[in-house]
Amino acid sequence: DARVTQTPRHKVTEMGQEVTMRCQPILGHNTVFWYRQTMMQGLELLAYFRNRAPLDDSGMPKDRFSAEMPDATLATLKIQPSEPRDSAVYFCASGSGGRVTGELFFGEGSRLTVL
Amino acid sequence: KQEVTQIPAALSVPEGENLVLNCSFTDSAIYNLQWFRQDPGKGLTSLLLIQSSQREQTSGRLNASLDKSSGRSTLYIAASQPGDSATYLCAVRWLVVDSNYQLIWGAGTKLIIKP
Repeated sequence: DARVTQTPRHKVTEMGQEVTMRCQPILGHNTVFWYRQTMMQGLELLAYFRNRAPLDDSGMPKDRFSAEMPDATLATLKIQPSEPRDSAVYFCASGSGGRVTGELFFGEGSRLTVL
Repeated sequence: KQEVTQIPAALSVPEGENLVLNCSFTDSAIYNLQWFRQDPGKGLTSLLLIQSSQREQTSGRLNASLDKSSGRSTLYIAASQPGDSATYLCAVRWLVVDSNYQLIWGAGTKLIIKP
């Protein structure tokens, strides 16, 4: 059963600490998205990768957020230093990109609480 | 500017009724459209994907239609059940350049099915 796997599922940390969230996309998918969801803002796109290359990270606060794909099986989203306003659920999604764009599949999310 | 609108924001109906959820988009030159459901505290589950060349897709009690000329997609749920209670989101893709695409999300319709 292919699925997007995210870790950790829950994270509570103190302001100023570094937070790293990880995502394992579905094998064979070449597009990866990072989204943030809050009650107030809904789903916000943070970063979008295709074939491990970042195509759009305009929604990501560059001073504290960074997103990478060290290899095709791992995407990371790092926040350093974290702030209370970063508290949200962070979703990773993967799909097949290019001219034949398939369905987008989401992970269960990482719920981050910054105190 | 492409926009996606879902109205109503919330809907409550008795169990057993057939219902329709709406998704409107401003630019008819879409690439495809995908319907998701999200249960509280969970990730997004893909329901149906409609390519721009298709008029409808069906999965079990769900039927999604697409009318590009009117900028509208509907998700029809037959014989609703309490387990259908969730937030339903639509996401619309438009091709940008070089096989990259822009994905715009509706704000969702929160559906409650009353037993």
